Amino acid sequence: GAVVSQHPSWVICKSGTSVKIECRSLDFQATTMFWYRQFPKQSLMLMATSNEGSKATYEQGVEKDKFLINHASLTLSTLTVTSAHPEDSSFYICSARGGSGRTDETQYFGPGTRLLVL
Amino acid sequence: KQEVTQIPAALSVPEGENLVLNCSFTDSAIYNLQWFRQDPGKGLTSLLLIQSSQREQTSGRLNASLDKSSGRSTLYIAASQPGDSATYLCAVSPFGNEKLTFGTGTRLTIIP
Repeated sequence: GAVVSQHPSWVICKSGTSVKIECRSLDFQATTMFWYRQFPKQSLMLMATSNEGSKATYEQGVEKDKFLINHASLTLSTLTVTSAHPEDSSFYICSARGGSGRTDETQYFGPGTRLLVL
Repeated sequence: KQEVTQIPAALSVPEGENLVLNCSFTDSAIYNLQWFRQDPGKGLTSLLLIQSSQREQTSGRLNASLDKSSGRSTLYIAASQPGDSATYLCAVSPFGNEKLTFGTGTRLTIIP
């Protein structure tokens, strides 16, 4: 149980295009999903926290107009990188927390999406 | 601002040896600490979660300890195997929210 999937796993796009990444909790309802970014040889940095049905909360320094997050259902959150540029090339990982509301529940991580912007 | 550091950044040991990975954090007011494993180009797998009131957790060959007052945690791996080769990350979350602050990771290589 507690499986989180991401799609696509790889994406290569031209500079200026928009890319949408999906994060799904396959066997549980996730009231909260998190989006992280990981640059090569660096650790994960939290970008934003999204709760189902409400606006995402972005971390300081993350442009909300560039990284659009939609958490439309209890099993799906999407991250759209708008007008992507080469510096947005990174490994994007989502995680999901179960729906009981307890903050001591572990987050389950997706396999990640590698984005390369040419 | 919480900062999490992991030393060493990389470690190579022969198969069969026991080893210890270290994690330190600057703000001791944490709710829990987790250890994760990340294989190259992959997502994270949760290994152990220690609540702030606990001192250690065990799962198979893995044992994680937590000394909150000194801001330190260790991950002990017994009888290492080549399949243990991966990057190990620790992460802490504060009281009141679920935001994880990750360490820089230790890249572990087990030599057959």
